[in-house]
Amino acid sequence: KAGVTQTPRYLIKTRGQQVTLSCSPISGHRSVSWYQQTPGQGLQFLFEYFSETQRNKGNFPGRFSGRQFSNSRSEMNVSTLELGDSALYLCASSNLGQGGNIQYFGAGTRLSVL
Amino acid sequence: EDQVTQSPEALRLQEGESSSLNCSYTVSGLRGLFWYRQDPGKGPEFLFTLYSAGEEKEKERLKATLTKKESFLHITAPKPEDSATYLCAVQAAGGSYIPTFGRGTSLIVHP
Repeated sequence: KAGVTQTPRYLIKTRGQQVTLSCSPISGHRSVSWYQQTPGQGLQFLFEYFSETQRNKGNFPGRFSGRQFSNSRSEMNVSTLELGDSALYLCASSNLGQGGNIQYFGAGTRLSVL
Repeated sequence: EDQVTQSPEALRLQEGESSSLNCSYTVSGLRGLFWYRQDPGKGPEFLFTLYSAGEEKEKERLKATLTKKESFLHITAPKPEDSATYLCAVQAAGGSYIPTFGRGTSLIVHP
């Protein structure tokens, strides 16, 4: 079974630009979550999509947005990039079960904002 | 608010020197506690899920245990390839399924 696939792996942008990141979940997984990881803040939750609907949202500004398609693939968009947006962006998919929600992560997209 | 604290922040071991990583948590009812391993520049890799106090799980040189307030990840006779950051996360009963992550413990095992 293929794992979570994130593209691109690396991105370099300049301040003020916007960026779109893509995530293909594990086949059959309907929940997709996005996280931002930085050395100073650790893993911070951005938002979660389930069946094309944003179900949970973290404490990030409106410049961060996302969507999910009918095939469960998800995209995340960051507009008006700031230097502080440089981070590893991780996507995780899960298949809700009685035992809880094990999240399986992709390799991430490393975003550098210059 | 759910909280997860991992200690130590960093740990250096000699190959074969066993040790334990700690994950203390505060949550209003535990649905599950998760351990992940993360290598530099990669996404976290799922290791274990623990659901109730007293539960233990093992995988190769790793053993995870759970009490009502904390979890330990015991590493027996570690090898250099065990070097990674180990993340702990908790999921609260009720509400959303979104886990709260700790900052992780960076483990380096010297040959």
